[in-house]
Amino acid sequence: QKEVEQDPGPLSVPEGAIVSLNCTYSNSAFQYFMWYRQYSRKGPELLMYTYSSGNKEDGRFTAQVDKSSKYISLFIRDSQPSDSATYLCAMSAGDDKIIFGKGTRLHILP
Amino acid sequence: DAGVIQSPRHEVTEMGQEVTLRCKPISGHNSLFWYRQTMMRGLELLIYFNNNVPIDDSGMPEDRFSAKMPNASFSTLKIQPSEPRDSAVYFCASSRRTQGNTIYFGEGSWLTVV
Repeated sequence: QKEVEQDPGPLSVPEGAIVSLNCTYSNSAFQYFMWYRQYSRKGPELLMYTYSSGNKEDGRFTAQVDKSSKYISLFIRDSQPSDSATYLCAMSAGDDKIIFGKGTRLHILP
Repeated sequence: DAGVIQSPRHEVTEMGQEVTLRCKPISGHNSLFWYRQTMMRGLELLIYFNNNVPIDDSGMPEDRFSAKMPNASFSTLKIQPSEPRDSAVYFCASSRRTQGNTIYFGEGSWLTVV
């Protein structure tokens, strides 16, 4: 079992819909959880950062962490065509080693 | 503030040639990471440095790969000899350890070995 599992997609949704992206993980030592967004031919950029379990909201984006289920989610409300990108989950046990999911390709259809 | 700067952005080389990728981290950051990204394997950590010292190189695929960080503002990743299976996007990233695990990526070096 890989440490971090993420469905590669692609996921296509109409503009304005709510998007749900998810990752599962196996290492119970992970306590820092991140979501990165990567546009085509660009480097990943940090979108959301959470510590331990719970929810965090930033504008149209909400990150959720359920450590008991080893499951994290990213929700995008009122999705826009500019949200079309690859979304990578990432996590760490607190050292500098950050493990990434493979990324989910998201297409928002105008 | 300038971001992480990588060069070259694109490189096409023949099998067997030496490839050197370069990275300038964000000023004031004391951790530097080299990642490789492919469709099949996603984003893989190759090696990371803290305060210019290599901490974990367990992700380096084989002895053909080497990385150095001679000072706080410069790092290289070298592949010698290169092989077609090394074709990938190589990302450098940096962080300030006091910021937790938030790392900032460069634009990547797109390597094709023919």
